[in-house]
Amino acid sequence: DSGVTQTPKHLITATGQRVTLRCSPRSGDLSVYWYQQSLDQGLQFLIQYYNGEERAKGNILERFSAQQFPDLHSELNLSSLELGDSALYFCASSVTAGSLETQYFGPGTRLLVL
Amino acid sequence: GQNIDQPTEMTATEGAIVQINCTYQTSGFNGLFWYQQHAGEAPTFLSYNVLDGLEEKGRFSSFLSRSKGYSYLLLKELQMKDSASYLCAVRGIHLNQAGTALIFGKGTTLSVSS
Repeated sequence: DSGVTQTPKHLITATGQRVTLRCSPRSGDLSVYWYQQSLDQGLQFLIQYYNGEERAKGNILERFSAQQFPDLHSELNLSSLELGDSALYFCASSVTAGSLETQYFGPGTRLLVL
Repeated sequence: GQNIDQPTEMTATEGAIVQINCTYQTSGFNGLFWYQQHAGEAPTFLSYNVLDGLEEKGRFSSFLSRSKGYSYLLLKELQMKDSASYLCAVRGIHLNQAGTALIFGKGTTLSVSS
């Protein structure tokens, strides 16, 4: 158990819908990262927050957005869902945003878009 | 561009030694990480290298050559539970950003048989 929690574990929804994925980092961690893992693409970095502020953006679609709240939990919002958005979504956290920091991953949310 | 290459699959027998190679071309370099991921589960941290050379951690060792853009993960005394995907990840430098997200290879699926 990494100490990172994610809810829900599974999510089934329809195309065009909007969902929110939630992540609580390890106690004391200030940085949160979101990754998407699909069978053909592997783990892809989406976005990073540090202490409430956006730090870096990766391959995140405009239909997706995220935020980190004052209590440091983070939410990833996915809207106008398409079949291709079906994937495992992982949240990871680290103590700071330093380059030598190890990222610890949560158990993931499996999203299925029908 | 940024590219990380690993073999797709490898097989080995219990008790053997296996070496999983990783080559990378990224914008900048701030460390190389290895993660283990069992099917449907979260990636778990194994090791990281930031300087050239070998880092040993029990049955696992990781080697880095920055000049060659090359790393390997060495697994000794293989056990059935080592059957998993092994992900090589590089922490690059995101241009114009202060982010420290990881760029992942697609992973090497290792199957250990008795």
